[in-house]
Formats: sequence, C-alpha cells, structure tokens
Amino acid sequence: NAGVTQTPKFRILKIGQSMTLQCTQDMNHNYMYWYRQDPGMGLKLIYYSVGAGITDKGEVPNGYNVSRSTTEDFPLRLELAAPSQTSVYFCASSYLTGVNSPLHFGNGTRLTVT
Amino acid sequence: DAKTTQPNSMESNEEEPVHLPCNHSTISGTDYIHWYRQLPSQGPEYVIHGLTSNVNNRMASLAIAEDRKSSTLILHRATLRDAAVYYCITNTGNQFYFGTGTSLTVIP
Repeated sequence: NAGVTQTPKFRILKIGQSMTLQCTQDMNHNYMYWYRQDPGMGLKLIYYSVGAGITDKGEVPNGYNVSRSTTEDFPLRLELAAPSQTSVYFCASSYLTGVNSPLHFGNGTRLTVT
Repeated sequence: DAKTTQPNSMESNEEEPVHLPCNHSTISGTDYIHWYRQLPSQGPEYVIHGLTSNVNNRMASLAIAEDRKSSTLILHRATLRDAAVYYCITNTGNQFYFGTGTSLTVIP
C-alpha cells in the first residue's frame, strides 16, 4: 500500500497566487487531517475531516479551505498566498477517531511564498 | 486542551536505554497519551500510545505515572536510526495537539 501520498513535494508561490495541495490515502480511512509545521516548531492542525462531505476547522484555518468529496482525497486550497503561509504541510489519516487509532502521515509538501 | 511539556533536547549513547519524559498535568481522564517521532525531512511516525497502564511494543515502552500527569517513553537500546524529534501529545476529541517535542541525539 502507498499509504498517504502528498503532491507536490515542493512548490514556490508568489504572493497572491493560489494553489491546491493534494492528499490521497488508500487505506480506506475515514479521518483525515492537514497540519502545517513552521521551522523548528511542532505541527499545528489546520483542518480535519471525519468522513466524506464533512470538514471542520482546527487551530489555524485562516487562509485555507478544504473539501472532502471522496473517502480517499482531502485537498487543501490556498486562495491568496501570503509569506506567513511558508511552511511544510503534512496530511494525515486514521482509521478511527485518532484517540485510539494511529495517525498515518504523508511526507509533506514544502511551500515557499515570496 | 491538554498540553504537554517536554525537554527541548536530549542526548544518548548508542546501545544505551533512553528515557524521554513528558508532563501533561492538565490531562483529562479520557485523554490518551500518544508518542510520535519525526525523522529529518519526513512526516511524523507513530511510536506508541496508552491510557493508564504501561504499554510495550516492538519500538518502545510507555510508562505512565499513576496520577497520569506524566509519562516516559523508553527506548531500550538507542540506535543511530532513533535520532529524531519525539513528540508527546494528547488529544481533544478528534484533534491532536503537537508541541515542539524533544530532539534526541544519539552518539556513536
């Protein structure tokens, strides 16, 4: 199994541009999450989803949007990129609610906004 | 939210045991304690989790204090591949909150 796959691995955006970070998982997990990690810091939750058609905000949702039309895919959209969104973005999934079910992470997308 | 406190960094000699501490004094009775680690340029990787009792798996052991306000991740024999940032986290509902973790250096 591929697990959690994120694309692209790297991207440079100009201020004001938009892009979609792709995340797909092949484990039939209901729960999916987007985190961002700034240099030297821990991960902060942006959005999460408990199943197709259901999304909810995490700690730092401003400037981002998500959708969950299928169980497999959970794309993250940046509409107007800002330098503050320069970060590494991680997508994760879990079978049950994460309380008693491990999170499986992708290898991240490194985004630079200049 | 249940928050965790960990030392910023620790060192260990190769093939020696490592005890990574974590304080979570505000943890609620139903919050699990989870440990993940992150190798350079990779996403976090699950290590172990527990609620009240000590837990063992092939990667590590988790010792949880009786009052649940602290826990310790134990790597029984550190290897160079164990050099990583280790995160002790608790959950609030569906949300996991990561702190800055402990950066473990393994000395050959």
